[in-house]
Amino acid sequence: EDKVVQSPLSLVVHEGDTVTLNCSYEVTNFRSLLWYKQEKKAPTFLFMLTSSGIEKKSGRLSSILDKKELFSILNITATQTGDSAVYLCAVLFGNEKLTFGTGTRLTIIP
Amino acid sequence: SAVISQKPSRDICQRGTSLTIQCQVDSQVTMMFWYRQQPGQSLTLIATANQGSEATYESGFVIDKFPISRPNLTFSTLTVSNMSPEDSSIYLCSGDRPGSGYTFGSGTRLTVV
Repeated sequence: EDKVVQSPLSLVVHEGDTVTLNCSYEVTNFRSLLWYKQEKKAPTFLFMLTSSGIEKKSGRLSSILDKKELFSILNITATQTGDSAVYLCAVLFGNEKLTFGTGTRLTIIP
Repeated sequence: SAVISQKPSRDICQRGTSLTIQCQVDSQVTMMFWYRQQPGQSLTLIATANQGSEATYESGFVIDKFPISRPNLTFSTLTVSNMSPEDSSIYLCSGDRPGSGYTFGSGTRLTVV
């Protein structure tokens, strides 16, 4: 059965800290891995990773994929209170469907 | 990425009634998807809305409970039928734009009392 696992489930850090969120997967017909930020209802798209070893970066956020070891990490440096959210990892299969992980709830303390 | 307008944003419904959720995309998308997110849980795919044909449902979801329409490439509806408190969730639609990530609608928070 296809599976996407995120860790940790929750994380509480102080403003200014750096955090690393993990996502591992076991799927057939892997195409891409996507990261989303969910603050209220709608997840907002962060990154889509298709190739191993190529870092994607947007401001203080960065992500990389390891297709050999079947995992991805999302790094957030110099965290701010606005980074508090649930971060979702999803894997896209060959049939165009997304399977989501359980999410990591990140809380930034001022 | 496509912009998806979803409504209603939230609703409180009596058990036994039905609610129809609408999603309008600002450009044509090939595939649209409907998800449910139960309290404290991640997103679970309900079905893929196919234009001009019947939706494809995931295991555990049936057409009688969650009928879906997709009359064209920019619009879809999901109906939650004969609701019970267990249907209280956030419902989300999504559309694909290959290479640009899958965009989500703003979500519908449904409470069944």
